[in-house]
Amino acid sequence: GENVEQHPSTLSVQEGDSAVIKCTYSDSASNYFPWYKQELGKRPQLIIDIRSNVGEKKDQRIAVTLNKTAKHFSLHITETQPEDSAVYFCAASIEGTYKYIFGTGTRLKVLA
Amino acid sequence: EPEVTQTPSHQVTQMGQEVILRCVPISNHLYFYWYRQILGQKVEFLVSFYNNEISEKSEIFDDQFSVERPDGSNFTLKIRSTKLEDSAMYFCASKPRDRGNTIYFGEGSWLTVV
Repeated sequence: GENVEQHPSTLSVQEGDSAVIKCTYSDSASNYFPWYKQELGKRPQLIIDIRSNVGEKKDQRIAVTLNKTAKHFSLHITETQPEDSAVYFCAASIEGTYKYIFGTGTRLKVLA
Repeated sequence: EPEVTQTPSHQVTQMGQEVILRCVPISNHLYFYWYRQILGQKVEFLVSFYNNEISEKSEIFDDQFSVERPDGSNFTLKIRSTKLEDSAMYFCASKPRDRGNTIYFGEGSWLTVV
């Protein structure tokens, strides 16, 4: 079955700097890759997603890139702010199936 | 904006007892899910439910677990004879038919088995 690896497990950046979180997946049939942000004790919230027919997607300070050949995808946050501090999870799914496989999470700390 | 709602937000139960976690998915959604997250770990898929039956389940979802949609709005997860290792946050999620693979999570039910 699908396996998703996520790195790093923790990441500390200075406010205003960029943060990059990387994930790799094992099942080449996976074609939908969402990213979730989870604040302490809260539900995971979708922040951006990408489908395998595109290589990059951007939404304001957040972007996701996908390399299908290498089976990895990355989350890029620019101009980080303290409120970006949270745990970020990547996930992989086959569109039309019913489940996500999540990565192990990255705890991002933005230092003011 | 409509949200998935879950009750209870927190439940403490004795080992061996049965618990029922309740969810009200977003009203026009057709696919329903339970995920769990053990403290400090990743979110894990348990089960998906569509058209009044289980679509897929993980190896975690053994005979101890069951799901039900008893009426047109609720979606429940029952855990029989709870074990200490069932302590986790349980998230319900739902998905509309026409929005690709985006699923929407509830706030979670924190289960503590003592």
